[in-house]
Amino acid sequence: QVQLQESGPRLVEPSETLSLTCAVSGSSITTRFYWGWVRQPPGKGLEWIASIYHDGSAYHNPSLKSRVTISIDTSKNQFSLRLASVTATDSAVFYCARIGWNYEALDSWGQGALVTVSS
Amino acid sequence: QSVLTQPPSVSGAPGQRVTISCSGSRSNIGATYDVHWYQQIPGTAPKLLIYANNNRPSGIPDRFSGSKSGTSASLAITGLQAEDEAIYYCQSYDISLSGLVVFGGGTKLTVL
Repeated sequence: QVQLQESGPRLVEPSETLSLTCAVSGSSITTRFYWGWVRQPPGKGLEWIASIYHDGSAYHNPSLKSRVTISIDTSKNQFSLRLASVTATDSAVFYCARIGWNYEALDSWGQGALVTVSS
Repeated sequence: QSVLTQPPSVSGAPGQRVTISCSGSRSNIGATYDVHWYQQIPGTAPKLLIYANNNRPSGIPDRFSGSKSGTSASLAITGLQAEDEAIYYCQSYDISLSGLVVFGGGTKLTVL
């Protein structure tokens, strides 16, 4: 059974870059799935950020694209997110998830990482 | 504003049946993309509840069912139980966004 675990700093200063990594276990990251990030501001709904395939092809939420970098490391079976120039409104729980490759569901989720943007 | 529209809240008594709607458009649900549903208990990660419109992952009770018609979809919960109190999200893809992931705003289910 696949498991995903987010890691990274939980406190980021305004204007800095938020960085998170999702470690995947129980499944190779080179299988036929996309791997993505979803965020949820406190008390609000889910917002998809970006997804990546093991060949490096990636898709981004247009509203965040200019600030987002998603990458994948097949040797470490993990993928990462960088969100640049953060402000307080970027504070959220960030989830990593596995996504079926053919417009399918997000069938496995990490437990989430609460990241706060504050000085 | 979410691309998919859900009612903010629904409620029902134990044992009753409730439905949660998810309204989209011709560029997402109506563009033949499947609809998926997630259950989120506050403080925990979302959990896949229904995939591809009307399929349950292993371990999901058959009290939960989904349907899709045209540009809308629905989640039905029968035999409501206290443990069903959660927030429910629908999700699909949108062709106008190059087939990218879109979510509904979420519906808070209260079991009276």
